[in-house]
Amino acid sequence: SQQGEEDPQALSIQEGENATMNCSYKTSINNLQWYRQNSGRGLVHLILIRSNEREKHSGRLRVTLDTSKKSSSLLITASRAADTASYFCATASGYSTLTFGKGTMLLVSP
Amino acid sequence: DTEVTQTPKHLVMGMTNKKSLKCEQHMGHRAMYWYKQKAKKPPELMFVYSYEKLSINESVPSRFSPECPNSSLLNLHLHALQPEDSALYLCASSPSPVQGPNTGELFFGEGSRLTVL
Repeated sequence: SQQGEEDPQALSIQEGENATMNCSYKTSINNLQWYRQNSGRGLVHLILIRSNEREKHSGRLRVTLDTSKKSSSLLITASRAADTASYFCATASGYSTLTFGKGTMLLVSP
Repeated sequence: DTEVTQTPKHLVMGMTNKKSLKCEQHMGHRAMYWYKQKAKKPPELMFVYSYEKLSINESVPSRFSPECPNSSLLNLHLHALQPEDSALYLCASSPSPVQGPNTGELFFGEGSRLTVL
């Protein structure tokens, strides 16, 4: 079953702009992960944030986690055309396997 | 070597054919996974192998048969598939089973695009 729900479903921006995607989930988590998938390719792990962390950075990526609201956001700063992809959040809860959300399709136009 | 390699990249088969998808990793990971992904949908877990033993089968039809010959290889045998089984099949691995408080990241292959005619 799916726990994460990304918002928006699709996002279209210009190069240089920031992109923000949100993920909401329903049950308590051990950690939350973000993955990127280029069209027709495999998923690539971007970042993992643990339930006791509130913010994490990796290059142009910034992830926040609010466990009280059961939500996370992924910010990509200074977007590039190469950032065009689908982005999925995935939650790790209890002893269940990772559960992927429905994803956000990001289009970055030159 | 930090790659998960899947073959073939593309496969077209008839409903009476028998074919196999293969997955290989040399990262020493002890858990391997098969996911099915339809267009514009998230990956759906099919099977998990933990230390070469099948630990999770997400009620997958028996026309899909997984096999883990050793810790580096994972196969998915296909027989009598239906057109609705057409999808991208993704293999993934992780250092240890992705469960519990120490759940870490998954390493995915590029997938095998399956078309069933």
